[in-house]
Amino acid sequence: SYELTQPPSVSVSPGQTASISCSGDKLGDKYASWYQQKPGQSPVLVIYQDTKRPSGIPERFSGSNSGNTATLTISGTQGMDEADYYCQAWDSTTNYVFGTGTKVTVL
Amino acid sequence: EVQLLESGGGLGQPGGSLRLSCAASGFTFSSYAMSWVRQAPGKGLEWVSSISASGGNTYYADSVKGRFTISRDNSKNTLFLQMNSLRAEDTAVYYCTFGGGMGFDYWGQGTLVTVSS
Repeated sequence: SYELTQPPSVSVSPGQTASISCSGDKLGDKYASWYQQKPGQSPVLVIYQDTKRPSGIPERFSGSNSGNTATLTISGTQGMDEADYYCQAWDSTTNYVFGTGTKVTVL
Repeated sequence: EVQLLESGGGLGQPGGSLRLSCAASGFTFSSYAMSWVRQAPGKGLEWVSSISASGGNTYYADSVKGRFTISRDNSKNTLFLQMNSLRAEDTAVYYCTFGGGMGFDYWGQGTLVTVSS
């Protein structure tokens, strides 16, 4: 089965840049999406089709995807960005697959 | 405004059944594939099942294949998940969701399913 691996946690200082990786076999050949989830809330799509931001998502969120790794970058991180983040891809054999999740802490 | 309202969660017995519903509004329901995604307490997101816009094609995670059935009623803008042979590991919040760009743009608030005797 297809698997996506993320680091369990990432810490970042306010105003700095946070990068969250998502690794999977030939992930660059698929479209990657990213979700933000705050405690007690439903997930929110922040990046789709590798690099696109849905309406209403701040410009400080950006994405890339190449080779075996997709990356979510949060530039100028704010306290409100503290949340769990999940990558997701679609594979023809296993359909939708979510990453293991990364807890972002803004110190 | 897009709204997805799940219902039907609650306490289920091991080996028993529950039926989840998701009432959709604010978009053309019959034009979109729909999915269920679940999240066990303190755990990550897990895709459960998807159904095509017409209902003619269905897809399941290996963990629920043969036990869960996804369906939809486009005349009533409603998505369903019939859950049979429930197991403790099915305990989770179940989200109704859909999207257009290979991601899930819209999510419901979720309904909690607890499987316990």
